[in-house]
Amino acid sequence: AQSVTQLGSHVSVSEGALVLLRCNYSSSVPPYLFWYVQYPNQGLQLLLKYTSAATLVKGINGFEAEFKKSETSFHLTKPSAHMSDAAEYFCAVSSYSSASKIIFGSGTRLSIRP
Amino acid sequence: GAVVSQHPSWVICKSGTSVKIECRSLDFQATTMFWYRQFPKQSLMLMATSNEGSKATYEQGVEKDKFLINHASLTLSTLTVTSAHPEDSSFYICSASNPQAIVTEAFFGQGTRLTVV
Repeated sequence: AQSVTQLGSHVSVSEGALVLLRCNYSSSVPPYLFWYVQYPNQGLQLLLKYTSAATLVKGINGFEAEFKKSETSFHLTKPSAHMSDAAEYFCAVSSYSSASKIIFGSGTRLSIRP
Repeated sequence: GAVVSQHPSWVICKSGTSVKIECRSLDFQATTMFWYRQFPKQSLMLMATSNEGSKATYEQGVEKDKFLINHASLTLSTLTVTSAHPEDSSFYICSASNPQAIVTEAFFGQGTRLTVV
């Protein structure tokens, strides 16, 4: 079975500060890993994905994540937070054999302080 | 990129009635679609896997008689919430993938907000 654990249900940072959202995965097979963002009352938007190529993945809006097999982690970072980054972020996992069956983490709400 | 469309985007229904939600893949054929449910301020929980031409596969704890799934064509899956009650009020999201794509990727619909009164 596959799962992801997001550490911290709520993260608050100042505008311009580093954003770090933590995600650890559990998978018995090589995982595909994703980060999605959801703005209030909206659907999901894919930020980035890891599918066994480069371990450092760059996504949209200045976000990136690094796959670390030794730590079973896939943390999301952004060097400088913008007010528009305030949203709910979901880490998710699937696998090569069932790439489109995506299992989501519990989510982290990111707040940006002026 | 591929587009998945859900309809309606929101619906209000009376308790005891049934509601049908459609999920369409607009520019590809999807043999498999997935249905998720998201309660307020919670994560997305996988409800079931919809398989074209065969029965859906439900996740543990999801009532198959309550949430009827029909995947009658390669571009359409429907989720019917039968005899809806207020506790069924939620955000329902579908996803689909193109099996012909080199790299399989799930594309999500915009979601359907169901309110049962």
